Amino acid sequence: AQSVSQHNHHVILSEAASLELGCNYSYGGTVNLFWYVQYPGQHLQLLLKYFSGDPLVKGIKGFEAEFIKSKFSFNLRKPSVQWSDTAEYFCAVKAGGYNKLIFGAGTRLAVHP
Amino acid sequence: ETGVTQTPRHLVMGMTNKKSLKCEQHLGHNAMYWYKQSAKKPLELMFVYNFKEQTENNSVPSRFSPECPNSSHLFLHLHTLQPEDSALYLCASSQVGASGGGETQYFGPGTRLLVL
Repeated sequence: AQSVSQHNHHVILSEAASLELGCNYSYGGTVNLFWYVQYPGQHLQLLLKYFSGDPLVKGIKGFEAEFIKSKFSFNLRKPSVQWSDTAEYFCAVKAGGYNKLIFGAGTRLAVHP
Repeated sequence: ETGVTQTPRHLVMGMTNKKSLKCEQHLGHNAMYWYKQSAKKPLELMFVYNFKEQTENNSVPSRFSPECPNSSHLFLHLHTLQPEDSALYLCASSQVGASGGGETQYFGPGTRLLVL
């Protein structure tokens, strides 16, 4: 069965620190990859996505993610976090032609000023 | 953000009640989804509707009954729920192409359900 693993459940950073959130998936075929963010009290929003092409994708608010096929990974990065990045981050995978998203458990990020 | 709306936003119900959650998408999409978000667990896909037809039922108990009267509206009818069904129920929509791949799901704000 397909699965998505997010290794860090809670991350605490100070402002201006660099961020990397891990995401690994289990599926051997073609995948579409997503990072969603849920700010406190708000709904899930798309941060960035990878469908094909350049494995380094850039999203909103300075976030980027790199698809490494050989490692089945799609890690999220930001060089310098802000207090407003405090949120929960979800990695999700859609396998093949099926419109079924498999989500990771999420990572809660707290950024202290 | 008004692309996908959900009502009510909060719901408290007893185990013997019957209630319905409503979702409406204003994006012209052809697929709609129900997810359950519980504390400390990944989002769980419950149901998928493509072109108003249910194409996925992820082993959801029969006390949850979806209805999709058209491609813009999706309901989740609830009856005889259990306290462990308390969660945030999210609706999403997407535009599925002929190949079935490469589309993005857009989420509503959710209905926070408490079953007493």
